[in-house]
Amino acid sequence: SAVISQKPSRDICQRGTSLTIQCQVDSQVTMMFWYRQQPGQSLTLIATANQGSEATYESGFVIDKFPISRPNLTFSTLTVSNMSPEDSSIYLCSVPSGQGVQTQYFGPGTRLLVL
Amino acid sequence: GENVEQHPSTLSVQEGDSAVIKCTYSDSASNYFPWYKQELGKGPQLIIDIRSNVGEKKDQRIAVTLNKTAKHFSLHITETQPEDSAVYFCAASRETGGFKTIFGAGTRLFVKA
Repeated sequence: SAVISQKPSRDICQRGTSLTIQCQVDSQVTMMFWYRQQPGQSLTLIATANQGSEATYESGFVIDKFPISRPNLTFSTLTVSNMSPEDSSIYLCSVPSGQGVQTQYFGPGTRLLVL
Repeated sequence: GENVEQHPSTLSVQEGDSAVIKCTYSDSASNYFPWYKQELGKGPQLIIDIRSNVGEKKDQRIAVTLNKTAKHFSLHITETQPEDSAVYFCAASRETGGFKTIFGAGTRLFVKA
């Protein structure tokens, strides 16, 4: 199984600022996913990040608000830009297991509170 | 669009009792159904999964059943323990045609000692 770490684990930010979340995987993976989990809610896919290409965003999420970088096969960043209180959520990165089924391994999450 | 409905949203059981969580999916092409457990302050972790060519799968105290015709699948936890307290998510996905997993809304399970 993949071991995934995220930084920061939590943060409190002021509205209008931006926060960059880092995701590090202990093995090389082609695809990395970024999810948002609003308080008490399920997981919503923000975008899929492939190394060497632009991220693919899901409906309702745009690159200007959630720019993503994927500089290599073990690392990705998600930036939450121009934050508002509605952006207060847990942000999770995940990777597929790569064993022919669509199992995912998740990082511990970044808990963001926007004041 | 595709969706997964999950019930109940909250479930409280006495230690030692069984817990059942039910999900319904809409995409008839879904063929892989994982269940994730999310403990407080952690990311979701896979606990069991089932593929569409199987009707039931067990792993110690945990079992999952699948009814393809009705598009229902369920998680069964027997002899519940306080450490089973967590949020459980069901999910449905296709193994081909792109990587897209749809998650249920989650069930918060409380096991009372």
